[in-house]
Amino acid sequence: QKEVEQDPGPLSVPEGAIVSLNCTYSNSAFQYFMWYRQYSRKGPELLMYTYSSGNKEDGRFTAQVDKSSKYISLFIRDSQPSDSATYLCAPSNSGGYQKVTFGTGTKLQVIP
Amino acid sequence: EADIYQTPRYLVIGTGKKITLECSQTMGHDKMYWYQQDPGMELHLIHYSYGVNSTEKGDLSSESTVSRIRTEHFPLTLESARPSHTSQYLCASTKGDSIYSYGYTFGSGTRLTVV
Repeated sequence: QKEVEQDPGPLSVPEGAIVSLNCTYSNSAFQYFMWYRQYSRKGPELLMYTYSSGNKEDGRFTAQVDKSSKYISLFIRDSQPSDSATYLCAPSNSGGYQKVTFGTGTKLQVIP
Repeated sequence: EADIYQTPRYLVIGTGKKITLECSQTMGHDKMYWYQQDPGMELHLIHYSYGVNSTEKGDLSSESTVSRIRTEHFPLTLESARPSHTSQYLCASTKGDSIYSYGYTFGSGTRLTVV
């Protein structure tokens, strides 16, 4: 069983829609939860991160973590064509050697 | 604009050839990483370095080797390329002790095809 499971999509939505991207994980040692965005033919870039359970908002993006159910979500409000990319969840443990485990990514297309 | 540079962007090479994928960063980051990414698959860590003269193998078994003689430079070498090495190779770096707060800065990758 993979430590991180992510629906690969592709997910196609109209411009202005609310998008929900999700991951589940199995490793209880994960404490930090990052989301990366990867445009075609580019490397991933850090979008936002959260620590432990709870919500974090940054503009149109909200990251949510429920550690009790080991469920990670990223919500995008008022989605734009420029949001079209692959989104990777990336939880990490804490401690001296911080290991990041990447999900397979969900490909999102926002149609104008 | 990315401050981490990978060359070449695309490489098609014959089996048995020796190749070096270049990675340089101008941010003064101590920690650097090489990841392998295949379509529909998660990123796999193949090598990392926490500073000059420090290199470690990652989680994914790899026949490649790396060196870190200068802070800004972290090349990856395949002594004898095989078709199974066909993949995208991503170089990354990070500052500080908290990879979650600063995140990785990734290069744009090298797409390697071994024929």
